[in-house]
Amino acid sequence: QVQLQESGPGLVKPSQTLSLTCTVSGGSLSSGVYFWSWIRQYPGKGLEWIGNIYHSGATYYNPSLKSRLTVSVDTSENQFSLRLSSVTAADTAVYYCARVGAYGYCISTNCHAPFDLWGQGALVTVSS
Amino acid sequence: EIVLTQSPGTLSLSPGERATLSCRASQSISSTYLAWYQQKPGQGPRLLIYHTSSRATGIPDRFSGSGSGTDFTLTISRLEPEDFAVYYCQQYDSSPITFGGGTTVEIK
Repeated sequence: QVQLQESGPGLVKPSQTLSLTCTVSGGSLSSGVYFWSWIRQYPGKGLEWIGNIYHSGATYYNPSLKSRLTVSVDTSENQFSLRLSSVTAADTAVYYCARVGAYGYCISTNCHAPFDLWGQGALVTVSS
Repeated sequence: EIVLTQSPGTLSLSPGERATLSCRASQSISSTYLAWYQQKPGQGPRLLIYHTSSRATGIPDRFSGSGSGTDFTLTISRLEPEDFAVYYCQQYDSSPITFGGGTTVEIK
């Protein structure tokens, strides 16, 4: 079955760029049916949606992060990635990649659908 | 943005008991675009309920969802040992997508 796995540095210095990759296994990221997302969970357990991407490269971001955020896709590697610039301690969180679109629909990567599959998560700590 | 408030923060129950979890939205969620997730330590959330009351694939029928407008409920009819976890609601009606703060269901 399809699985998602996050990878990347666990420690990032303040003001630098946080980079994570999500590898999709057991299925194709380019299937056309699904969209792909990043979500983070703060140490206090609150969850925040970061953004969506389609295999075409079209994106849809949370406005609160848009100025610092880049989400990209590499269909040849069956991966999609997150880059968040100018990080501070407030960006310390567990970062999850997820799939969206199995239930509901998406219009131009703005999805009215829940996250039906999640990765295990990757803890990223921002500290000097 | 739509703020989701979950209550109670913690629910202490025994296996076999009924659990009722609440999720209240700061404004009406149209089209019943509300989901519920279960999260266990060290794992990503698992989708339980979507569109307010539809069970995701493989979810046991002891889990049910209901509600409309601003008030939604997740009910676990008879708690099994594996049901003790944290539960989150999420709205996908309007952007940005938002989540509730979670309810912990713990063993009494």
